[in-house]
Amino acid sequence: DGGITQSPKYLFRKEGQNVTLSCEQNLNHDAMYWYRQDPGQGLRLIYYSQIVNDFQKGDIAEGYSVSREKKESFPLTVTSAQKNPTAFYLCASVPSGSPLYNEQFFGPGTRLTVL
Amino acid sequence: EDKVVQSPLSLVVHEGDTVTLNCSYEVTNFRSLLWYKQEKKAPTFLFMLTSSGIEKKSGRLSSILDKKELFSILNITATQTGDSAVYLCAVEVKADSNYQLIWGAGTKLIIKP
Repeated sequence: DGGITQSPKYLFRKEGQNVTLSCEQNLNHDAMYWYRQDPGQGLRLIYYSQIVNDFQKGDIAEGYSVSREKKESFPLTVTSAQKNPTAFYLCASVPSGSPLYNEQFFGPGTRLTVL
Repeated sequence: EDKVVQSPLSLVVHEGDTVTLNCSYEVTNFRSLLWYKQEKKAPTFLFMLTSSGIEKKSGRLSSILDKKELFSILNITATQTGDSAVYLCAVEVKADSNYQLIWGAGTKLIIKP
């Protein structure tokens, strides 16, 4: 079955620790995105990658880092520099060759809680 | 600054009622408007609207865009408890050579049996 997977589903972290969230897709999509969702707010773009070995900062990239070494994988690292990391994190991908967002496929999300 | 505003923020109705959710926007380089339904986890795509006045329909859900007044509505008729969710509106804009999505905060819809 094709789709996007994110792991873990729930993640707890102590202050000052870095943590990496996994996002894998087997849809052969070129473009992948990381969003953060907080209560009462829309999705906010953290980073996106339109092709392997290339990625761009979104609106709230500070305190986060990404890599795109393989087409299928786009891990997000939440660093200790991120002041308020507790949130729900969503990964998404878009079919290759399409600049449109109408077919944005979302993963199930990871809920990160900083203790 | 581009922005998308949804209203109401939350809504509680009884099963069988009809609801109308609103999404207004102020953006440059508008390309399309999208509606998503988010239950417990990931949003699922509902509609993409690009042209004014053309209603998109899927079962009990329908949506229309007004590009002159800069808003869209999402209608749900004969609501069911399974319609309970957060409904997200997003506007696709062209930014330099890329496209971006500007998201609204969502409307939390609760359907009481």
